[in-house]
Amino acid sequence: DADVTQTPRNRITKTGKRIMLECSQTKGHDRMYWYRQDPGLGLRLIYYSFDVKDINKGEISDGYSVSRQAQAKFSLSLESAIPNQTALYFCATGTGRYNEQFFGPGTRLTVL
Amino acid sequence: GQQVMQIPQYQHVQEGEDFTTYCNSSTTLSNIQWYKQRPGGHPVFLIQLVKSGEVKKQKRLTFQFGEAKKNSSLHITATQTTDVGTYFCAGPSTGNQFYFGTGTSLTVIP
Repeated sequence: DADVTQTPRNRITKTGKRIMLECSQTKGHDRMYWYRQDPGLGLRLIYYSFDVKDINKGEISDGYSVSRQAQAKFSLSLESAIPNQTALYFCATGTGRYNEQFFGPGTRLTVL
Repeated sequence: GQQVMQIPQYQHVQEGEDFTTYCNSSTTLSNIQWYKQRPGGHPVFLIQLVKSGEVKKQKRLTFQFGEAKKNSSLHITATQTTDVGTYFCAGPSTGNQFYFGTGTSLTVIP
């Protein structure tokens, strides 16, 4: 959805580099999520946040950190990138009683 | 931890044939959602099911939630090339996490 934007859309980096992926939303949703997608593994939750002061680890948080700078902004950092972090990363917002999710366009990250 | 598995992982069908993907959770789900991801795109919400045994239809798509609320299915009647993509089920877990299934990639052969 155009209401959820991610930057950059593509990134190639080297092992050991620090990388930040940014997500912004204009939907006004409090809940925000970071997922990674790998072939055959579906979408796996890295971190999620229910408001600016609430940050929670997801299924695969090791090697990642996040920052919720504002209701509309949720950034994902890789402090020291490694090749097995090569993946497609999606940011999403959630809303409603059953947490319908709205995804950004994704960031394709390659770690050499 | 909770697991949400989908079968099959891949499905190739001739245009006009039917298609079904199945979703199975290791735990009972309060609700289940279905998403579609077109090739090169991002997941897009299709529908959510809440009640045990619930069945919902969207044109040629039929969604079903199992009686025990641990499984679900998506059936597409008479597939079209526009149905191509990966279909994911997803559901909440305890602690407010959200789990996506492994996805079923559908290819429709014209």
